[in-house]
Amino acid sequence: GAVVSQHPSRVICKSGTSVKIECRSLDFQATTMFWYRQFPKQSLMLMATSNEGSKATYEQGVEKDKFLINHASLTLSTLTVTSAHPEDSSFYICSASQTFNQPQHFGDGTRLSIL
Amino acid sequence: QKEVEQDPGPLSVPEGAIVSLNCTYSNSAFQYFMWYRQYSRKGPELLMYTYSSGNKEDGRFTAQVDKSSKYISLFIRDSQPSDSATYLCAMRANAGGTSYGKLTFGQGTILTVHP
Repeated sequence: GAVVSQHPSRVICKSGTSVKIECRSLDFQATTMFWYRQFPKQSLMLMATSNEGSKATYEQGVEKDKFLINHASLTLSTLTVTSAHPEDSSFYICSASQTFNQPQHFGDGTRLSIL
Repeated sequence: QKEVEQDPGPLSVPEGAIVSLNCTYSNSAFQYFMWYRQYSRKGPELLMYTYSSGNKEDGRFTAQVDKSSKYISLFIRDSQPSDSATYLCAMRANAGGTSYGKLTFGQGTILTVHP
């Protein structure tokens, strides 16, 4: 149980392109979803927290107009990297929890490469 | 000083060894403690989830929490080459207000179990 699916797993695109990443909870309803960024050999850095039906809460230093988050249903959250540039290249991982008191379960990540 | 300290290793052990992984923390508000395993190019997988102090066992894995010392451990018995991965400790306070169950991660320990 507690399966989180993330799609796509790999994206390579040109600078200036907008990229959408989907995060789905397959066997549970996720009130809360989280988006992380991970650099090589480093731990996860929280970007934002999203709750179904409300605006996402962004961490300090994360541009909300750059990283658009939508959590329109209890099983789906999306992260859109707008006008992506090479410095946005990274490993993006989502997680979901049934309620904010339940443990977080992670997707398998999206490796984004901007040329 | 980081809120959560974890020795990044790398740690290399022979197959069958007992592995001990540890984290220390400074925030006394942390109540929930987790261990995640992350294989290369994958998302973290939840191994253990514990509340407050005490021990929890699941198969070859044992998690220990000592809140008085602000110290948590993960023990892996009869280690296997398939246990080779990065192990991340994570912890959080009681969710409420604007915290939404936000996790604080350790840096991760790279473990290699060689045949």
